[in-house]
Amino acid sequence: GQQLNQSPQSMFIQEGEDVSMNCTSSSIFNTWLWYKQDPGEGPVLLIALYKAGELTSNGRLTAQFGITRKDSFLNISASIPSDVGIYFCAGPTGANSKLTFGKGITLSVRP
Amino acid sequence: DAGVTQSPTHLIKTRGQQVTLRCSPKSGHDTVSWYQQALGQGPQFIFQYYEEEERQRGNFPDRFSGHQFPNYSSELNVNALLLGDSALYLCASSPFSGYGELFFGEGSRLTVL
Repeated sequence: GQQLNQSPQSMFIQEGEDVSMNCTSSSIFNTWLWYKQDPGEGPVLLIALYKAGELTSNGRLTAQFGITRKDSFLNISASIPSDVGIYFCAGPTGANSKLTFGKGITLSVRP
Repeated sequence: DAGVTQSPTHLIKTRGQQVTLRCSPKSGHDTVSWYQQALGQGPQFIFQYYEEEERQRGNFPDRFSGHQFPNYSSELNVNALLLGDSALYLCASSPFSGYGELFFGEGSRLTVL
């Protein structure tokens, strides 16, 4: 089946720094989604991308839909402590609500 | 506007028992999906319900079953529990005509002893 690859598993940055994370797949996705999950919570949608090459921002977050449709990038600028959490990429396979998720990247922000 | 609500938030069962988890979708959403999230992993799709029918199913055994009610709320049932069923069970809702943008509940944490 389709898989989404995220690495590294964990990232550690200093408050105020920018951080970039990517997600790759061996298969084409027509939609890319980025979710964040805080401890004890369900994932929350950060950004949705629908078109190859699309660049979309949501506050300090910017995400891009790769031209090949096999990758996507999420950038967080000027990180703050509340950016701590697990960041997942996801894409629909089959039905729109059938999402495949990556394993996630755990982000830690040092004050 | 209430988001997706799930109950119970935590529960402990023993092997062989059965469990029922409940979900109320976000207002205006008619489609409910269930996901299993093991520790350190991303959520895995179990199945999707729309118009009270199972529409798509992931790679889960028949021990996992569900139901959707006329008010769009849903239940997930797991029979003959195994230790490996211990996980966070997430309910997500969306409009059927959506583009994959799911709204998740906080999840039900199931521990099987």
